[in-house]
Amino acid sequence: GAGVSQSPSNKVTEKGKDVELRCDPISGHTALYWYRQRLGQGLEFLIYFQGNSAPDKSGLPSDRFSAERTGESVSTLTIQRTQQEDSAVYLCASSLYSGGPQHFGDGTRLSIL
Amino acid sequence: GQQLNQSPQSMFIQEGEDVSMNCTSSSIFNTWLWYKQDPGEGPVLLIALYKAGELTSNGRLTAQFGITRKDSFLNISASIPSDVGIYFCAGRMNYGGSQGNLIFGKGTKLSVKP
Repeated sequence: GAGVSQSPSNKVTEKGKDVELRCDPISGHTALYWYRQRLGQGLEFLIYFQGNSAPDKSGLPSDRFSAERTGESVSTLTIQRTQQEDSAVYLCASSLYSGGPQHFGDGTRLSIL
Repeated sequence: GQQLNQSPQSMFIQEGEDVSMNCTSSSIFNTWLWYKQDPGEGPVLLIALYKAGELTSNGRLTAQFGITRKDSFLNISASIPSDVGIYFCAGRMNYGGSQGNLIFGKGTKLSVKP
């Protein structure tokens, strides 16, 4: 498809396990963003990638969270030693250029038991 | 951190009614965006505003970038059942650079009147 693709769509895991979430941005989009959305809440910025520049990690809530992006393609968000408070929908967005309108995927719903 | 105040938090609509919601900020923004999110899906961009005073329409939706650059509103005219969902405002203070992220309001949930 032509949109932002995220996988898995749902993930249930036990507390303490590591999880890896994947985002395929729209082809040609240079900027990629990760957000967290807790139930009934707005979107909380996590991290932003722009081309080959150093990512803006200012939104990552703890050192258990990390993300990587290969060039201008796929990104993975990794959460180590998951906690119940990590339960949320994790949304990825991409934009054609930095500062441009962001297009979102449908998110990964993460549930920590 | 920066805060966006979005109101109302929720509202009930009857088909055919006009709807209005707004966002205010303590900081000046260079961009205002309005998104709609349906259950189980990511937010979808409705309208983007880039200039103070700008008034932009998208079908029955109209949004304005406030003159002070600290607020924006979204109006929906002649609402229909498929308008239900959660509407988010989002603002950005810088054009790209290292702060390309958006700051989101907490959303306005539109529901149909019982």
